[in-house]
Amino acid sequence: DAGVTQSPTHLIKTRGQQVTLRCSPISGHKSVSWYQQVLGQGPQFIFQYYEKEERGRGNFPDRFSARQFPNYSSELNVNALLLGDSALYLCASTGTGLREQYFGPGTRLTVT
Amino acid sequence: GQQLNQSPQSMFIQEGEDVSMNCTSSSIFNTWLWYKQDPGEGPVLLIALYKAGELTSNGRLTAQFGITRKDSFLNISASIPSDVGIYFCAGFTSGTYKYIFGTGTRLKVLA
Repeated sequence: DAGVTQSPTHLIKTRGQQVTLRCSPISGHKSVSWYQQVLGQGPQFIFQYYEKEERGRGNFPDRFSARQFPNYSSELNVNALLLGDSALYLCASTGTGLREQYFGPGTRLTVT
Repeated sequence: GQQLNQSPQSMFIQEGEDVSMNCTSSSIFNTWLWYKQDPGEGPVLLIALYKAGELTSNGRLTAQFGITRKDSFLNISASIPSDVGIYFCAGFTSGTYKYIFGTGTRLKVLA
């Protein structure tokens, strides 16, 4: 069975641009969450979606938005990119309870 | 952003030694989680703790949920080279959906 997949693996954007990151959860998992991990730090929680509804939101500006589709895949959108948005963006898929939480390999975003 | 305090920040140990690390918070959580992250990969969940005072093992790993609900501990017994990596704690509270990770403990094992 495939694990959590994220695309793209890497991308480079310019300040002010917009970016969309994608995540496909493990089959059967209905919850997806997003995290930002700046180099040398722990992940920061951005959003959690369950059954297409937002269940939790971290302390991030409105430039960050997300959605979950009927097949439980998810997109994270970031508008008006800043240099400080450069980070590894992680997606996690959760089954019945946090003990069934699995992270994807992440998307490395570089903003120049 | 807010991060929980983990100590030590990094440690070098000899293969076969036991390792202890902890995580502290000024806030109460109702779930504590421990993860390991290898370079270029996402974190892997090691242990989840749901009750104050709970002690849970996963192979050579043992973690405890502090009775004050503001801290947690992770022990690794008889370390091996593949234990190398960064260990993160995280506190979670379902009602407010507060989900905060620690600063990480970088573990290096000398063969």
